[in-house]
Amino acid sequence: QKEVEQDPGPLSVPEGAIVSLNCTYSNSAFQYFMWYRQYSRKGPELLMYTYSSGNKEDGRFTAQVDKSSKYISLFIRDSQPSDSATYLCAMSFNNAGNMLTFGGGTRLMVKP
Amino acid sequence: DSGVTQTPKHLITATGQRVTLRCSPRSGDLSVYWYQQSLDQGLQFLIQYYNGEERAKGNILERFSAQQFPDLHSELNLSSLELGDSALYFCASSPRGRVDGYTFGSGTRLTVV
Repeated sequence: QKEVEQDPGPLSVPEGAIVSLNCTYSNSAFQYFMWYRQYSRKGPELLMYTYSSGNKEDGRFTAQVDKSSKYISLFIRDSQPSDSATYLCAMSFNNAGNMLTFGGGTRLMVKP
Repeated sequence: DSGVTQTPKHLITATGQRVTLRCSPRSGDLSVYWYQQSLDQGLQFLIQYYNGEERAKGNILERFSAQQFPDLHSELNLSSLELGDSALYFCASSPRGRVDGYTFGSGTRLTVV
């Protein structure tokens, strides 16, 4: 079993829909949680960064962390065709040079 | 442009060969990380360097090695290549290793035939 599990999708939604992407993890020592977006043939780019449990909002994006359930989510409001990409969750034990542990990624397609 | 430069973008080579992938980190970033992305394993951490010194190792094969030079660029050397080494190899850099400062390059796509 992988440390971080993520449904690979693909997830297909109409433009304007609310998208929910999720990851579960097994190691309770993870403290920092990130969401990356990866377009085809590009490197991952950081979307959201959260420390410990709670919510964080940035424009159309909201990240949620529930450490008691070992479950993190990314919500995208008013989804756009330009949001079509693979979304990767990532986690780290601390903020001092550690490696990131990634989920396998969920492929999202937003249809106009 | 993320500021992290990887060369070459594509590489096709035969089994048994050796290749070198190069990464120039974002200006001022001391930490360099190498990751491998394959279809079945996802994005996996290989190795980290900080200001020229190896800092952490992940699932890196003994056939693979890396180094970081005084100008902070890094090279990943892959030898005795096998078909299963075909993957995207990403370099990332971060100022002082902060996870919220991670920036990835566009990757090198390696195909072993």
